[in-house]
Amino acid sequence: SQELEQSPQSLIVQEGKNLTINCTSSKTLYGLYWYKQKYGEGLIFLMMLQKGGEEKSHEKITAKLDEKKQQSSLHITASQPSHAGIYLCGADQYGNKLVFGAGTILRVKS
Amino acid sequence: GAVVSQHPSWVICKSGTSVKIECRSLDFQATTMFWYRQFPKQSLMLMATSNEGSKATYEQGVEKDKFLINHASLTLSTLTVTSAHPEDSSFYICSARRDRGSGYTFGSGTRLTVV
Repeated sequence: SQELEQSPQSLIVQEGKNLTINCTSSKTLYGLYWYKQKYGEGLIFLMMLQKGGEEKSHEKITAKLDEKKQQSSLHITASQPSHAGIYLCGADQYGNKLVFGAGTILRVKS
Repeated sequence: GAVVSQHPSWVICKSGTSVKIECRSLDFQATTMFWYRQFPKQSLMLMATSNEGSKATYEQGVEKDKFLINHASLTLSTLTVTSAHPEDSSFYICSARRDRGSGYTFGSGTRLTVV
């Protein structure tokens, strides 16, 4: 089965600072999803990457997928308190199901 | 956009009773629905995949007799936690997908507390 390693487990950053979260797969990714979650709530879709070398941006969040399609990074520029939450990367296993990494808890200090 | 509704958002039940959670795709037909479980400060763990009109496929370690999944129509899947015990207390969240090439849309989750 495909294993996803997500790092760091948790992150505390000062407001205005940049940060990066990484997601590494043991196998080539069919598709890689990034979600944000407030604890106890549903998931908010951020981005989906499917092609090697693909990069997508939305507001201050950029996600990239490497050429080998085994590693993805999520970068937040000039973090805001509204960015705080749990970030989850999910691997689409051959289009059959979505399995998640361990998640990264982000806190942004004002 | 695709919307998935999940009910109830929270439920408290007595130990030994059964609880049903509903997951509905409101504006699309979902050929596949997924059920996840999330413990505090942990990620989402996939429990099972259900395709409309067929039996659910459970992940390793998930008791199919404990967690009954029904996907009777293209817009509704239900998860029934049978004979619930305190250790079943968790956050349950569903996801639905129109077809294999579509994205995954998540419900808002159900917090189950068994007392």
